[in-house]
Amino acid sequence: GDSVTQTEGPVTLSEGTSLTVNCSYETKQYPTLFWYVQYPGEGPQLLFKVPKANEKGSNRGFEATYNKEATSFHLQKASVQESDSAVYYCALSVASSGQKLVFGQGTILKVYL
Amino acid sequence: GPKVLQIPSHQIIDMGQMVTLNCDPVSNHLYFYWYKQILGQQMEFLVNFYNGKVMEKSKLFKDQFSVERPDGSYFTLKIQPTALEDSAVYFCASSLAGSGSDYTFGSGTRLLVI
Repeated sequence: GDSVTQTEGPVTLSEGTSLTVNCSYETKQYPTLFWYVQYPGEGPQLLFKVPKANEKGSNRGFEATYNKEATSFHLQKASVQESDSAVYYCALSVASSGQKLVFGQGTILKVYL
Repeated sequence: GPKVLQIPSHQIIDMGQMVTLNCDPVSNHLYFYWYKQILGQQMEFLVNFYNGKVMEKSKLFKDQFSVERPDGSYFTLKIQPTALEDSAVYFCASSLAGSGSDYTFGSGTRLLVI
């Protein structure tokens, strides 16, 4: 079946440093790839999505490139802020899987001053 | 932006009782979903629903679970009877279209079965 694997957390960084959260996926279809962010006590919020291979998505300084050859969608940010502390989920959807989102296990990010 | 509203936000229930979780999806969305998240763990798909029917359900969607959306009102998840292992946060989501569309999640219902 379809699956997503992410960097194991927690990832702890000081403010101003760079972030990379690895994401790899498996599917026999042509997925749309997503990054979601979840703050405590809330549901996941869409950070951005990329429907096409070799394209880049970005939002709020975060970005990721849909690498079809490597089946990867790594999340990066050049300079993290304390307010970026949250759980980040990589996810995919494919048309044949009943339209559902398949999530990775999530990566906890903690940013300190 | 548009929101998914979940009611109640918290529910404590005795094992063996019935519970109904309510979801008010984004008004023009057509696809509806329930996910389960046990504390500190990942989001697990339970079921999705379109045009009045279940499209797909996971192995976590036990026989005790059911979903419906009567007459365009709340999209509900009913558990009858509840078990201790049903304790989790249940997230409702909706989307306008299927794969590739933006999925909007509610803030969850925290269910504790005692």
